[in-house]
Amino acid sequence: AQTVTQSQPEMSVQEAETVTLSCTYDTSESNYYLFWYKQPPSRQMILVIRQEAYKQQNATENRFSVNFQKAAKSFSLKISDSQLGDTAMYFCAFSVTSDSNYQLIWGAGTKLIIKP
Amino acid sequence: ETGVTQTPRHLVMGMTNKKSLKCEQHLGHNAMYWYKQSAKKPLELMFVYSLEERVENNSVPSRFSPECPNSSHLFLHLHTLQPEDSALYLCASSQGDHPGGQYFGPGTRLTVT
Repeated sequence: AQTVTQSQPEMSVQEAETVTLSCTYDTSESNYYLFWYKQPPSRQMILVIRQEAYKQQNATENRFSVNFQKAAKSFSLKISDSQLGDTAMYFCAFSVTSDSNYQLIWGAGTKLIIKP
Repeated sequence: ETGVTQTPRHLVMGMTNKKSLKCEQHLGHNAMYWYKQSAKKPLELMFVYSLEERVENNSVPSRFSPECPNSSHLFLHLHTLQPEDSALYLCASSQGDHPGGQYFGPGTRLTVT
């Protein structure tokens, strides 16, 4: 079975701090794509960052970066210089290339609160 | 984010009503999805359409009926719903042959009374 585990149901940090959200996944496939999504209180689901499993270099997107450890099947998200607007639910997900529709397997989410 | 729009944003309906949710994507994608998001539960994939053909139906009750008339529009027809169907319904789209991720609409908050 393909699964995603986010072991931190909720986290809170002070504004401007760095925070890391953990994600582990399980799949027997070797080719897949990993994603982090953000869902703020407005409930709009926003794609934050993506990583191709065949790439060793970790993806970065402004203050967001990932630590991808393929052997460990780990895909953590680091948010640097956190801002109040980063308060949201964060979901980790992946899709396998053998699925022609690239359906996403989702984690349960981590609620991140940035305190002023 | 205006790439995927959903209407209405909020809907309250009785168990005997019939209503429809609408989703429209302006991204040129060829795959569209309906998800259900309930409190304290993981995101549930309901339906997947690829090139206007339904390719996934995850054991969704027949009181939910999807329709995809073209690659830009997706509907979810609702009838004789139950209170446990109250949830946020999210529509998403993607380019089916390119794993760039799915792009979501703002959702419809449905309350069944």
